[in-house]
Order: sequence, then C-alpha cells, then structure tokens
Amino acid sequence: DADVTQTPRNRITKTGKRIMLECSQTKGHDRMYWYRQDPGLGLRLIYYSFDVKDINKGEISDGYSVSRQAQAKFSLSLESAIPNQTALYFCATGQGVGYEQYFGPGTRLTVT
Amino acid sequence: DQQVKQNSPSLSVQEGRISILNCDYTNSMFDYFLWYKKYPAEGPTFLISISSIKDKNEDGRFTVFLNKSAKHLSLHIVPSQPGDSAVYFCAASGNTPLVFGKGTRLSVIA
Repeated sequence: DADVTQTPRNRITKTGKRIMLECSQTKGHDRMYWYRQDPGLGLRLIYYSFDVKDINKGEISDGYSVSRQAQAKFSLSLESAIPNQTALYFCATGQGVGYEQYFGPGTRLTVT
Repeated sequence: DQQVKQNSPSLSVQEGRISILNCDYTNSMFDYFLWYKKYPAEGPTFLISISSIKDKNEDGRFTVFLNKSAKHLSLHIVPSQPGDSAVYFCAASGNTPLVFGKGTRLSVIA
C-alpha cells in the first residue's frame, strides 16, 4: 500500500464550486504539505502543517484553506474554484529539516 | 524572486553517456539540498541529497556536487539509461520547507 495517498486522483469542477482534496499518510510523520504544480513553474507550496495544531501559509495560499484532522490526514479546500486553479496538486509528508519529503501520486484538478 | 533556479528546461543525452543537471540558489541560509525525479502521472520521488557540510554525495549512478561559494549544485547520472527520462527537480531548505526549482526534463535517447 502507498505511504501517501490522495483522493480524488482526477476531478473536473465548475467555477464557483467548493472542492476538497484529501491526503492520508501512513509514514507516521508530523509534517505535511500541499503543493501545486503548473507547467513551467515547478512545485509551489500552498500550505504546510508541522503538527495537528500548527498550520502555516506557503507561497501561494490565497484562494485555498486547509484542515489537519489528525496526524495522518491533511485536506486542502478551494472555497470557490476558479479556472486558474487548474493544476496538479501534490500532498507530501516529512520528518523535518534535513530530511526528504515523500509525495503522494497527485490530484489533477480542472476548473471549467 | 526565485530562490532556486534550474535554467535548462530540457536536456537530451545519448544512452550510456553522462547527464549533468544544474541548479543555482540565492539564499545563503540554505543548508540542505535534494534532487527529485518525476515521471508523468506520478508524484515526485526522492533521488539524492547533500548537506552543506559536504561537497559530494554519491549513490550508485547518481552523484550530487555542491559548490557553496558559487551557490551551485549539479546532479551527474552515469551512465544514463532510457529509464532515467523524467523531469528532475532541485530543492533546497534552511530552517524552512523545501523550495523547488522549475525542473529540467531529461530525455535519454537509446
């Protein structure tokens, strides 16, 4: 079984709809992250959480919110989706500074 | 302002030859550097890392070199294989989450 899972894997939604992307991990890591990948722009950090009570904004948090429901679960919400939020979204987990992060398989989101 | 730069969007190399992927950074507080590989429809996977106290780290066919004075690191793949064709991301951190470059697409031609 995969260590980091994301649901759904693909989603098409309409402008203005609320959507939630979910991430679960079995690695036992405290730290979890949400990234967005756009063609030619690499991976950009949306939000990150160092433990259940700690939530931090990343480089591009506008238009997004997150919830850390448990150590193993970290969800990303788009309150009112817009077309320029069409992208690949990746969840990741890690042990901290000086350690690598482990990524989920990604969610391809299309906002029409 | 980009803190981690991969200035070559793509690179083509013949099978069996060396692939060299480059990365520059601007933040002198970065002290841990990583390379990730990404295939289509998959998440990035960790490849190799190096801390700022070293200038070289090797793992099989993959070697990462760090030049702190130039704020430059490179990934060498020897020999290159068709299965190495992927997008490679450079990443760096200090006491912060990882900052990623935009990636370099490597194509290894048989």
